[in-house]
Amino acid sequence: QVQLVQSGAEVKKPGASVKVSCKASGYNFAGYYMHWVRQAPGQGLEWMGRLNPNSGGATYAQKFQGRVTMTRDTSVTTAYMELSGMRSDDTAVYYCARGTEGIGYDYGLDVWGQGTTVTVSS
Amino acid sequence: ETVLTQFPGTLSLSPGERATLSCRASQSVSSSYLTWYQQKPGQAPRLLIYGASSRATGIPDRFSGSGSGTDFTLTVSRLEPEDFAVYYCQHYGSSLMTFGQGTRLEIK
Repeated sequence: QVQLVQSGAEVKKPGASVKVSCKASGYNFAGYYMHWVRQAPGQGLEWMGRLNPNSGGATYAQKFQGRVTMTRDTSVTTAYMELSGMRSDDTAVYYCARGTEGIGYDYGLDVWGQGTTVTVSS
Repeated sequence: ETVLTQFPGTLSLSPGERATLSCRASQSVSSSYLTWYQQKPGQAPRLLIYGASSRATGIPDRFSGSGSGTDFTLTVSRLEPEDFAVYYCQHYGSSLMTFGQGTRLEIK
């Protein structure tokens, strides 16, 4: 079945980087965008950016420009999100999600990973 | 960037009642790019509605979406116990996405 399986929880110190993985299975990995969305404790959803697994190109939310890098390894159908210079307010659950959007349409983020809890603490 | 404002922040209703949730965009947007999600505690969000009014696969027909321009609505015709959750609207445009802040639907 179609699924996204994310890497396990992480604890990082301020200033460190984290790299979260998202393993896709059950569908054509290169045929769908991969989005990253985070959710701080008790807060709403925050879009971080999206990766085109076919080309490797990425688009980032302005807030994360310069701190986030989204990559993929097509040989293992896995997407990665790396966030650097972490601060306490980066403590959140990070989700990957499959998307299908383009000119004139957006079919939504229809498959989500289980989430990866990242805690930033000294 | 289009800012989405959801209201009310919290909606208290009883099972069997009708729920109406609103999402207002800071500028006129195409309905093709307006999406709704449901999220329950400890779970990832679930896609409900895309293109403002199209139900995603497996979504019961008690969920419906409507609207255009700057004002969009998610309606749950008859609330079931499993419908009490947080709902988010989301907009896609110029390769960017934004989410509203969410509406919490709670049992009265």
